[in-house]
Amino acid sequence: SAVISQKPSRDICQRGTSLTIQCQVDSQVTMMFWYRQQPGQSLTLIATANQGSEATYESGFVIDKFPISRPNLTFSTLTVSNMSPEDSSIYLCSVDPLGGQETQYFGPGTRLLVL
Amino acid sequence: QKEVEQNSGPLSVPEGAIASLNCTYSDRGSQSFFWYRQYSGKSPELIMSIYSNGDKEDGRFTAQLNKASQYVSLLIRDSQPSDSATYLCAVKAGGQNFVFGPGTRLSVLP
Repeated sequence: SAVISQKPSRDICQRGTSLTIQCQVDSQVTMMFWYRQQPGQSLTLIATANQGSEATYESGFVIDKFPISRPNLTFSTLTVSNMSPEDSSIYLCSVDPLGGQETQYFGPGTRLLVL
Repeated sequence: QKEVEQNSGPLSVPEGAIASLNCTYSDRGSQSFFWYRQYSGKSPELIMSIYSNGDKEDGRFTAQLNKASQYVSLLIRDSQPSDSATYLCAVKAGGQNFVFGPGTRLSVLP
């Protein structure tokens, strides 16, 4: 497995602002993933972030709204831009420490409330 | 559209009973299957993975896979109140991303 930390753990933001969420892993991993979990819902993949390449976004998610950085093999950031109340959610990063997407382990999540 | 379906619950079982959680999936190319447990306010944690037809046991947990029926289940024996959580089924086809089901809420009554 892997030890994953996220910052911030929670935040309350105003409409129209942006928030950057950090994800740190205790070991080098090729693939990192960003998910959203809206209240009472399951996990929806936002994008896959590989070091050294552009993030791959899932249908319904765009880079302008959710820019992602992956500067090295242990760190990634997700920015939620120009926020609206509909962005209120839990944002989770996950990693596949074995490579090949054989499994995923999740960070503790960032709880975001947009007023 | 690749789909993973689960009964949303809540599924209530008495302490000590067997809890049976079910999951069906639409993509016949799926090769890897996972069960995650998510306590309220926490992130999902991996319980079990299964890749071949049949049963796989790990302590009180047994995962069952039937690829012909596109069905995977999780049995929890001797259920405890601490097992009360939402259980997420996740499915992955080769080279593809995980697809998560909506989750089943389990409540184990003391």
